[in-house]
Amino acid sequence: SQKIEQNSEALNIQEGKTATLTCNYTNYSPAYLQWYRQDPGRGPVFLLLIRENEKEKRKERLKVTFDTTLKQSLFHITASQPADSATYLCALDLDNQGGKLIFGQGTELSVKP
Amino acid sequence: EPEVTQTPSHQVTQMGQEVILRCVPISNHLYFYWYRQILGQKVEFLVSFYNNEISEKSEIFDDQFSVERPDGSNFTLKIRSTKLEDSAMYFCASSLRPGQVHGYTFGSGTRLTVV
Repeated sequence: SQKIEQNSEALNIQEGKTATLTCNYTNYSPAYLQWYRQDPGRGPVFLLLIRENEKEKRKERLKVTFDTTLKQSLFHITASQPADSATYLCALDLDNQGGKLIFGQGTELSVKP
Repeated sequence: EPEVTQTPSHQVTQMGQEVILRCVPISNHLYFYWYRQILGQKVEFLVSFYNNEISEKSEIFDDQFSVERPDGSNFTLKIRSTKLEDSAMYFCASSLRPGQVHGYTFGSGTRLTVV
């Protein structure tokens, strides 16, 4: 069956450390993988996108890797801050022209001062 | 920064009633979407809309659901006869093209409660 799974437990880290979040999928062949941030009661906010032929993408303190052999993406936040506390969602884009995203359940990140 | 605007932010309705959720996408975007998120669950795709027609829809998007772009700015989701299980956050999103470059811009959502 098709699955997309993120770290099931909340991630608690100390300010200044690097947070690493995992997204694994099975029986999908995404053309793109996107990461979003979601705050309580709000809509997802787009962070980064990585294509199937890219290994790594960076934007400021964020880094995403994409391993289509392992069927895994890692999302890193370096020098984390309390303001980074939120739920982070990965989403598969199958590039089927309809624009449908398949979301993971999210990982809740808490950065303590 | 341009935003996707959704109204109302909260809607409470009786089971069996019709509801219309409204969205104003970003003005130069061409693709429009509805997603929903039941409390504590994943964000789920409902429908995508381009060039005044549905591009893709999920199994959730049955005959009780419809979408419309009645004018040049609004994009609506109608649920004809609401059920208890329709209670969820409904998010509208838009993109200039399918979000393969810049992702999708989501609104803040409408919390629908069916009683």
